Amino acid sequence: QKEVEQNSGPLSVPEGAIASLNCTYSDRGSQSFFWYRQYSGKSPELIMSIYSNGDKEDGRFTAQLNKASQYVSLLIRDSQPSDSATYLCAVNSMNRDDKIIFGKGTRLHILP
Amino acid sequence: ETGVTQTPRHLVMGMTNKKSLKCEQHLGHNAMYWYKQSAKKPLELMFVYSLEERVENNSVPSRFSPECPNSSHLFLHLHTLQPEDSALYLCASSQDLGLPEAFFGQGTRLTVV
Repeated sequence: QKEVEQNSGPLSVPEGAIASLNCTYSDRGSQSFFWYRQYSGKSPELIMSIYSNGDKEDGRFTAQLNKASQYVSLLIRDSQPSDSATYLCAVNSMNRDDKIIFGKGTRLHILP
Repeated sequence: ETGVTQTPRHLVMGMTNKKSLKCEQHLGHNAMYWYKQSAKKPLELMFVYSLEERVENNSVPSRFSPECPNSSHLFLHLHTLQPEDSALYLCASSQDLGLPEAFFGQGTRLTVV
């Protein structure tokens, strides 16, 4: 079983709509969850972190965590063309001495 | 600008060459990482240093040799690489191992010919 799974996409969303990105993880003991945004040819940039069940909002971004289902998501409201990027889900793994494990990423394309 | 600087940004090397990648951070972080990013694969953790001591080597071939002379600098020495080693090599740092929010450098795009 892959440690962190994401749909590779591409996910196409009309401008102004809500983009929903999903991630599942295998290590039930994981405590910290992150979303990184990576533009083509650039390095990953941390945009959200979440540590407890429920929702965490930051501007147009909302991270949602459900530890029972081992599921973390990122919602982007009022999607903009500048949101077009690959979004990487990352999880700290208790099985890997607290190291960050990344998913393959979901490519998001916002349609103007 | 993330505070983590990598040089060079691009590198083309032959299979018999020896080269080094450099990473520098002035964020006061204690942990530094090397990651490899290949097409259609997740970011792969290669090495972890905490307070200049290597704490993890993820079964990386010996043709990759890390060096951490101080908490601000991290090197990745390369020798006799293979074409399949061509990838984006990313350096990252975090305050401590126990605080895993990582800040990445811009990466070195390596091509082995």
